[in-house]
This record gives sequence, structure tokens and C-alpha cells, in this order.
Amino acid sequence: NAGVTQTPKFQVLKTGQSMTLQCAQDMNHNSMYWYRQDPGMGLRLIYYSASEGTTDKGEVPNGYNVSRLNKREFSLRLESAAPSQTSVYFCASSGRLAGAGETQYFGPGTRLLVL
Amino acid sequence: TQLLEQSPQFLSIQEGENLTVYCNSSSVFSSLQWYRQEPGEGPVLLVTVVTGGEVKKLKRLTFQFGDARKDSSLHITAAQPGDTGLYLCAYTGGGADGLTFGKGTHLIIQP
Repeated sequence: NAGVTQTPKFQVLKTGQSMTLQCAQDMNHNSMYWYRQDPGMGLRLIYYSASEGTTDKGEVPNGYNVSRLNKREFSLRLESAAPSQTSVYFCASSGRLAGAGETQYFGPGTRLLVL
Repeated sequence: TQLLEQSPQFLSIQEGENLTVYCNSSSVFSSLQWYRQEPGEGPVLLVTVVTGGEVKKLKRLTFQFGDARKDSSLHITAAQPGDTGLYLCAYTGGGADGLTFGKGTHLIIQP
């Protein structure tokens, strides 16, 4: 099992460009998440998907869109990248919505630089 | 959003020393989790504490959940360079909240 995989590992964009970050999990998990990690800010939830076909906003959703393509895949799209979106992006999955004791499994991250 | 305060923010000690890092809040939690993140990787769950006063041990790591379920601590005995990393506490709000993380403690264990 590969667990949670993310592509690409690194990306450099110019302001205004668009891109999609891909995430896939092979653990048959229902719930998937996107976080961003910034120095001094910790990890913050962008969007989550409780199950195939549903998505909901997290703490910092502005400037992003998501698609839960199927049970395995959850993508994050930046339509018009801004320097403030320079960050490390982590995808995670869990067997169900994060409840007491539920483990989230994280991918290795995508490092994005917006110039 | 309930706030998790972690302290210290940075800690650098020598191999073999003991240390404690803290995760505090004014809110009561149904559970707290501790994750460790190594450079270039995603966080990995170490432990979940659920019951007030609970103590869990993972080799040289001891986790405690406060009696009032508002705070937690992580104690490392005889720290080793392999313990180096970012230690994050998080609470699982359930429902639509996903995980909310503290800002973490950056720990460096020098040989």
C-alpha cells in the first residue's frame, strides 16, 4: 500500500497561473482533507470531503476549489495563483469524519512557490 | 475555533536529556492527538488521548491528558537524535471541522 500520494512534489507558478494538486489514497477511506502549512501558522484546513460526491469548506477556503473525483482521489485547484498561496500543501485521509480517536494519514506534501 | 497553544516553540537539547512539551487550551476537548512531522514529510500520528488524566507510553515518550481535558503534555526520556522533528498537537472537532492543530514545537536533539 502506498497510503496517501500527492503530485507534484514541487511547483513554481507565476501570479495568475492556475494549477491542480492531485491526491490519491489506497486505504479505502471515506474522508479526505486538504491542509496548508505555513511558518508560524501551523497546519490549517482548506477543504474536506466526507465522502465521494461531497465537499465542504474548512478554515481557509478562499482562492481554492476542490473535486472529489471518486473515493480514491481528491484534487485541489488554484484558479489564479497569488503569492499568498505560497505554502506546503498536505492531503490527508481517514476512515470516517475526524471524530474522537480517528487517525488521519497524511501525504508527503506539495511545495508550491508563487512568484 | 478553539485555540491550542504549544510551548515551547523551539527546543534544542543534548542527546540523553529529558524534556517536556505542552499543549494548552481554555477549552475542553473530547480527545487530543499528538503528531510528529519530520522535515519534508507529512505528520504521523503518535497517540490519541481520550480520558481525563490518561497517561499513554510509547517507548521513551509519555503522553498525558489533563484531568480537566483542557491540556496535554509530551515527556521524552533520554532524548535521541531520531526524536528530532516538529511535534504537533491537534483536536478532532468531529463533524465539519477536520483537525485543528497547534503551531507545534520544533525539537532538535544534538548528538
